[in-house]
Parts: sequence; structure tokens; C-alpha cells
Amino acid sequence: ELKVEQNPLFLSMQEGKNYTIYCNYSTTSDRLYWYRQDPGKSLESLFVLLSNGAVKQEGRLMASLDTKARLSTLHITAAVHDLSATYFCAVGSEKTSGSRLTFGEGTQLTVNP
Amino acid sequence: DGGITQSPKYLFRKEGQNVTLSCEQNLNHDAMYWYRQDPGQGLRLIYYSQIVNDFQKGDIAEGYSVSREKKESFPLTVTSAQKNPTAFYLCASSIRTAFSNQPQHFGDGTRLSIL
Repeated sequence: ELKVEQNPLFLSMQEGKNYTIYCNYSTTSDRLYWYRQDPGKSLESLFVLLSNGAVKQEGRLMASLDTKARLSTLHITAAVHDLSATYFCAVGSEKTSGSRLTFGEGTQLTVNP
Repeated sequence: DGGITQSPKYLFRKEGQNVTLSCEQNLNHDAMYWYRQDPGQGLRLIYYSQIVNDFQKGDIAEGYSVSREKKESFPLTVTSAQKNPTAFYLCASSIRTAFSNQPQHFGDGTRLSIL
């Protein structure tokens, strides 16, 4: 059974600071996604990571994937208040579970002025 | 614009009542999914369908039922057997081809409460 763990679950940071969210998964995967959710809203896709060493960047967010360590990171650079949201990673394996994904518990990020 | 439409946005259920949540997509996606989200928690998969007229149980299917008679539609019924239905329900869809790298797209959700 695929298990996905994120840490930290809660993160409070000051504007301008850097921080990293971690996503560990338990079994071999062939794709990993990062999503953002604003309070009371739906999920918005941020990044798709498919191969070992993959790195994607969008604005102040950068995601990477290490399939050997079964670890993905979401790095936040010089945080701003608009980044306050909950961030989820989701992992899938076509061979073992088809198109279904397993989501982490989410990391609730609060960026303070 | 293509997207996923969930309705209603808010729904209230009485004791012993079945309620149905609607999910329609015009993205021409083969696969559709239903998730449940409890406050402060992640998403748990209820049911998913990879093709019309076929669906599979997810991790928490008890007390729920689905149908997939049309590609565009994947309604979820919350039955009276689901004793704790209060949650935020999210429908998603995705392209269903081998090793597709496209993410799942989500609707805006339905918030279900018990009266």
C-alpha cells in the first residue's frame, strides 16, 4: 500500500524567508504532483514531476524529485503573503494503481508580514 | 472554457436520507474521481472510474455509491449507511492514457452537512 507523508504539517514563516516542505512516499512511483489549496477552495495543480532529478520552478516555488530516496521537496524562496495556502503532494504508480493518486496530509503554510 | 462543474455547492442531508452530488466535465477526460476531505486533512479517495460503465472502490467506499453511464458525468450518492457524511467532497478528472503525465483537474467542491 502506497503511503505519502508530508512534513511539516504546519508552517508559519515570515515574509522574505526561505523554507522547504518535504514529501516522502513508501513505494515505487512513476509520477508525483504538487497542488495548492486556498481555504474553502478547490485544488490547483502546481507541478508535475516524472523522473529522478526532475526540477520545476514557478515564481518563488521550486519542486524537485529524488526517486531513489522516494522524496520530493517544495522549496519556497523569499516568501510573500500570497503564498499562504495548504500544499499537497500526490503520488501515483501506473503499474500498481493505474490512474489513481494517493495524497499526503497537506502542509498548511502561513506567511506573516 | 473546459472544466469540471460540481453541484450543488452546499447540501444538507436529513437522517436516513440519500443525497446525490453531481459532477460534470467537458474536458473529454476518460477518468473521474471522487474524494472526501475532512477539516484540516488530506484527500481520501472514495470511488474512481477509468472508463464509462466501469468504476472501482477507493479507500473509503462504504456508505457511498456511484455510476458512470456517460463519459461526462460521474454522480456520487451518499447513502443513509454513511453515518458521518459531513465533509467537503471534491470531484476530479484526468486523461487516461498509459503513463500520462497530466495532473488531475478538480471541481470547486460540494460541502455536505447533516441537518
